[in-house]
Parts: sequence; C-alpha cells; structure tokens
Amino acid sequence: QVQMVQSGAEVKKTGSSVKVSCKASGGTFSSYPFSWVRQAPGQGLEWMGRVIPTVGIGKSAQKFQGRVTISADKSTTTAYMELSSLRSDDTAVYYCAREGTGRGSWGYNWFDSWGQGTLVTVSS
Amino acid sequence: QSVLTQPPSVSGAPGQRVTISCTGSSSNIGSGYDVHWYQHLPGTAPKLLIYGIINRPSGVPDRFSGSKSGTSVSLAITGLQAEDEADYYCQSYDISLSGYVFGTGTKVTVL
Repeated sequence: QVQMVQSGAEVKKTGSSVKVSCKASGGTFSSYPFSWVRQAPGQGLEWMGRVIPTVGIGKSAQKFQGRVTISADKSTTTAYMELSSLRSDDTAVYYCAREGTGRGSWGYNWFDSWGQGTLVTVSS
Repeated sequence: QSVLTQPPSVSGAPGQRVTISCTGSSSNIGSGYDVHWYQHLPGTAPKLLIYGIINRPSGVPDRFSGSKSGTSVSLAITGLQAEDEADYYCQSYDISLSGYVFGTGTKVTVL
C-alpha cells in the first residue's frame, strides 16, 4: 500500500512561487503517474496536472499552463508541484494523488491514493 | 468551472437510499471515458469510492454502487449511515480540455 507524505503548510506573498513536495513510499514509484489536485476554500476539487515519473517533467491543465511545473524525481520517489505568480485565489489545499491505471489510455485513470494535503496561503 | 454537473446537496434519513447524479457531455462521459467517485470529509484527503463507473476498491462497503445511462452516471448509497455525511465528487476525462475534470460536488446530509 503506497503512502504519500506531503510537505508542510506555506504562507506566501502575492507574486511569489511555492513548491510542494510529495514523497511516496511502499509502492513502485515509477510504475504510476501522479497528479496534483487543489481545493480552494468553499470550492470543489480542481485538477492541476500530472507527471509520469519515468519521464520526469509533467503536463499541466490548460488553466495553469505557464504557471505550474510538475515534476518527479525517481531517485527520491518524490513528486513536486511548483506554482508561480501566486495570487490570492491560489489559496487552497493542494493534494498529490497517485493514478490507478485503467484501460491503457490515461483518460481512464482514477486517483487511488492521496497525500494528506498541503495548505498554501497567499496574501499581500 | 466544472464541466461535470452534480446536485449541490442530497439528504436522507438513516437507512434510506440516496443517489447522486453526474452529468457530462459528448467531450467527456459521452465519449465513453470512465467516471470515478470520491468521498471527501473536511480536513482529510479524498477517498476513492468507485472506479470505472461500477467497481469498488477493496474495503469500500457494498452500500456504495455506481451506474451509467447515456452521458449521466450515478452514485447510489443504500442503508445510509451517519458516517456517510460528506462531500462526493465524480471525476472523468475531457477531450476538449485534454485533462481530468471533477464534478461540482454534492454534500450528503444524514437527517
């Protein structure tokens, strides 16, 4: 059973960047893609992007293109999400999630294990 | 904004059956992409309830079940219990957005 432990809460200034880590243990890190999902206060879940550990550099959701960098380091079995040009509406809990693989295309995948979440607070 | 629509809230008495719908379009559910369901309690990580429309991971009670009709899928909870009070989200893939999408979320209240 894989376990994912995320880095601690962050308080950032508007316009700065934040990098959140997610260390996986208990499973085969390189065998599964990892995604990042966030939840702003009072809002629903929002997918941000994903990474395949064997590739290293990920793909972001259209909304975050140019602002988010998702990566993975096989040597430390850790996935990362870096969000730049922070705004107040980026205040949210950020989750990493391992993807369960379905029919071969990633369009059929689900999220079977989740990190505990990291609160990122952005203020001026 | 979410491209998968769910009712904002549903409620039921203990022991009753409730259903949550998740309606998409031809660019996601209508294109045959699978739908998965999550239970989310405040302050905790979301938990996978149903994957591939109808499948339950080990450890998930059989009170939870999924189904599909056209571009709409549903999650049913039978024998409602107090511990089922949570937010529930559906999730799929959208061709137009080239990425995963979540539903708007449904709050289940046990009366």
